[in-house]
Amino acid sequence: DSGVTQTPKHLITATGQRVTLRCSPRSGDLSVYWYQQSLDQGLQFLIQYYNGEERAKGNILERFSAQQFPDLHSELNLSSLELGDSALYFCASSVSQGRAGELFFGEGSRLTVL
Amino acid sequence: LAKTTQPISMDSYEGQEVNITCSHNNIATNDYITWYQQFPSQGPRFIIQGYKTKVTNEVASLFIPADRKSSTLSLPRVSLSDTAVYYCLVVLRGNTPLVFGKGTRLSVIA
Repeated sequence: DSGVTQTPKHLITATGQRVTLRCSPRSGDLSVYWYQQSLDQGLQFLIQYYNGEERAKGNILERFSAQQFPDLHSELNLSSLELGDSALYFCASSVSQGRAGELFFGEGSRLTVL
Repeated sequence: LAKTTQPISMDSYEGQEVNITCSHNNIATNDYITWYQQFPSQGPRFIIQGYKTKVTNEVASLFIPADRKSSTLSLPRVSLSDTAVYYCLVVLRGNTPLVFGKGTRLSVIA
């Protein structure tokens, strides 16, 4: 158990819909990262937040947005869903002064768009 | 970020030692070499990290030559449960996002 909690574990929805994925980082971790993993694209970095502020942006579509709240949990909002958005979405967190590159990943949220 | 190159896949029998080599020719002075393991439908898990020479923990050993342009992850006496994808990454200290490549898919056969 990494200590990172993601909900929901599974989600099935239709094209055009909007969903929200939630992540609770490990206690005390200020950084939250979102990744998308699909069969053809591998593990893709989407966005990072640090203590409520956006820190880095990766391959995140304009239809997607995220935020980190004062209690440090984070939400990833996916809108106008397309079939190609079906993937595993992982959240990870890290400590401020931990080992370089040590992220703790949650178990993921599997999104299926029909 | 330094680009890494590692084999797409490897097969091994149970009980054998497995060595996965990663090349990172453009590694910078402040970069660390980090390996992750990912089982199907699970998030990646940090397994080991090193800067130079050799690092060993309860899961694996990491060998890094003096020029640091490559590294080798060594898994002693693998079992079926070691079947996973192994990612080699070069990372900077600090809270920076990790960029994952395709990794090496290790299949352990009985």
